[in-house]
Amino acid sequence: DAGVIQSPRHEVTEMGQEVTLRCKPISGHNSLFWYRQTMMRGLELLIYFNNNVPIDDSGMPEDRFSAKMPNASFSTLKIQPSEPRDSAVYFCASRRLNTGELFFGEGSRLTVL
Amino acid sequence: ELKVEQNPLFLSMQEGKNYTIYCNYSTTSDRLYWYRQDPGKSLESLFVLLSNGAVKQEGRLMASLDTKARLSTLHITAAVHDLSATYFCAVDMQGSARQLTFGSGTQLTVLP
Repeated sequence: DAGVIQSPRHEVTEMGQEVTLRCKPISGHNSLFWYRQTMMRGLELLIYFNNNVPIDDSGMPEDRFSAKMPNASFSTLKIQPSEPRDSAVYFCASRRLNTGELFFGEGSRLTVL
Repeated sequence: ELKVEQNPLFLSMQEGKNYTIYCNYSTTSDRLYWYRQDPGKSLESLFVLLSNGAVKQEGRLMASLDTKARLSTLHITAAVHDLSATYFCAVDMQGSARQLTFGSGTQLTVLP
């Protein structure tokens, strides 16, 4: 069984550019989470979806961030325009329904210059 | 708001020694999870604790949950260098839109 798949693994971009991060959850998991991790702020929940519907986006830092889940097997996190303070590792995770266990992807390391 | 506190945040220990990491949380929950993160890597699930009194063991690590005390422990027995990593606990606040809340993590370094 493939795990959570994220792309790209690394992204280097310039301030003001649009960034799109992608995630494919584990088949059969009905919840998907986007987290951001930095040294200063640790692991932060940005948004999560249940059955493709956004449930809580209060962790999204500002309007420059948006996330979609058009179907059960795909989600995107978009930053437009990007800023240097957005530099972080962004993790996608999907959740096993019966135990509530989260399974994380390998992460997308974003550097905004 | 659910708060999850881990201590210590940093731990250096010698190989062969025992130690315990603590995870305290502020509201009622009966589900708690432990994750491991190696530098530059993702988070890997270690233990899933789903009820009061649950105890799980894997190798030199043992996790337990006391829901009445709102406390979980991760006990390390006879530490080896390969256990060096950051360990996170996460608490499931059922009924909350935010679901899992993570602790700040405990950075463990096992010295030879």
